[in-house]
Amino acid sequence: GIQVEQSPPDLILQEGANSTLRCNFSDSVNNLQWFHQNPWGQLINLFYIPSGTKQNGRLSATTVATERYSLLYISSSQTTDSGVYFCAVSSGNTGKLIFGQGTTLQVKP
Amino acid sequence: NAGVTQTPKFQVLKTGQSMTLQCAQDMNHNSMYWYRQDPGMGLRLIYYSASEGTTDKGEVPNGYNVSRLNKREFSLRLESAAPSQTSVYFCASSPYSRGGYEQYFGPGTRLTVT
Repeated sequence: GIQVEQSPPDLILQEGANSTLRCNFSDSVNNLQWFHQNPWGQLINLFYIPSGTKQNGRLSATTVATERYSLLYISSSQTTDSGVYFCAVSSGNTGKLIFGQGTTLQVKP
Repeated sequence: NAGVTQTPKFQVLKTGQSMTLQCAQDMNHNSMYWYRQDPGMGLRLIYYSASEGTTDKGEVPNGYNVSRLNKREFSLRLESAAPSQTSVYFCASSPYSRGGYEQYFGPGTRLTVT
């Protein structure tokens, strides 16, 4: 099955800094999503991005499907950005998502 | 729209007890999914229902059963709970049609089995 690897596993930033999170996947996909899991455990949809580039405020994402990776950019980070960021992908005709292990982000004031 | 709702939010069971986790979505989605999340890990698929009337096993189905009651509701049953099933359970839904593949998640159920 598809393998999903995220890097880095942990990241500590000062408020206002920028960061890039990476997601590598081992096969072609028809769905790629980025999620933020906040400290209360809620999973928040950030991007649905099987290919191309999208932006939403301070966050943006790029997926290069032919090279099997996706990047999540966080600019001017805030303490509320803290939590775990997951990349998840699916292929085939079932929609089953395969999750990476996540990147734990801590933003310090 | 409430999106995806799950009940209960928290549950403590003794080993051997049974329970059903409920999930409902009001987005008219075709597909529904149950995942579990263990500490420090990503989510893993337990069962899914590609459309009303169908269910299939995911990555970790042992010890669970599911029912797709109608298009809105998808329940997960633990017949004889074990400590290894202590986890956070998430339900999700997706249009999985020309409407797209994006999955939307419920708030989760935190289950402890003692």
